[in-house]
Amino acid sequence: NAGVTQTPKFQVLKTGQSMTLQCAQDMNHNSMYWYRQDPGMGLRLIYYSASEGTTDKGEVPNGYNVSRLNKREFSLRLESAAPSQTSVYFCASKGSAVADPSGANVLTFGAGSRLTVL
Amino acid sequence: QKEVEQNSGPLSVPEGAIASLNCTYSDRVSQSFFWYRQYSGKSPELIMSIYSNGDKEDGRFTAQLNKASQYVSLLIRDSQPSDSATYLCAVPTPYGGSQGNLIFGKGTKLSVKP
Repeated sequence: NAGVTQTPKFQVLKTGQSMTLQCAQDMNHNSMYWYRQDPGMGLRLIYYSASEGTTDKGEVPNGYNVSRLNKREFSLRLESAAPSQTSVYFCASKGSAVADPSGANVLTFGAGSRLTVL
Repeated sequence: QKEVEQNSGPLSVPEGAIASLNCTYSDRVSQSFFWYRQYSGKSPELIMSIYSNGDKEDGRFTAQLNKASQYVSLLIRDSQPSDSATYLCAVPTPYGGSQGNLIFGKGTKLSVKP
């Protein structure tokens, strides 16, 4: 039971480089999320996808793009990395309240991706 | 924009004591509240959810909700060193569909000393 799988776990980039963080879930969840976590700032929502085919901005979307490739996969792209994007990134997924009322709003997180931008 | 406030800690308690973690939120219409635990270097995991005023108990954990005071707390009885972690309070936002997306407090770091 893999749950939510993120790759890569670690990445070092130079300013201006681009990269894509990959996320896949095998729980048939509708909603998927990308958060970043910085010391003293808590978890902040970057983008989310409430269902396959839709994406929306969260609290801190600037400098990022996302793609909901299919129901399983949700990727996060940094087109031109900046040192301010040094962070730990978490992908998460959530089932629907209709399908699982007891699990509503239960986020399942991936293991995280630690990104350093020099 | 909803706000979720927590004391950052660290909160240090001796083994066997009761740890009390607090969270306040700004939106009076919030209906559900969640506590996540995050060990150092790991991802958050849900430990408690609470939807109505009063207490909800699950093993050594008790969540307490007071909607009138916009206050939710987490009590950990008989604290163990393995409870040492950062505890995140979370509240759904109004966007992201009927369920809402979760916004998180900054977390309280708990340290249980043997």
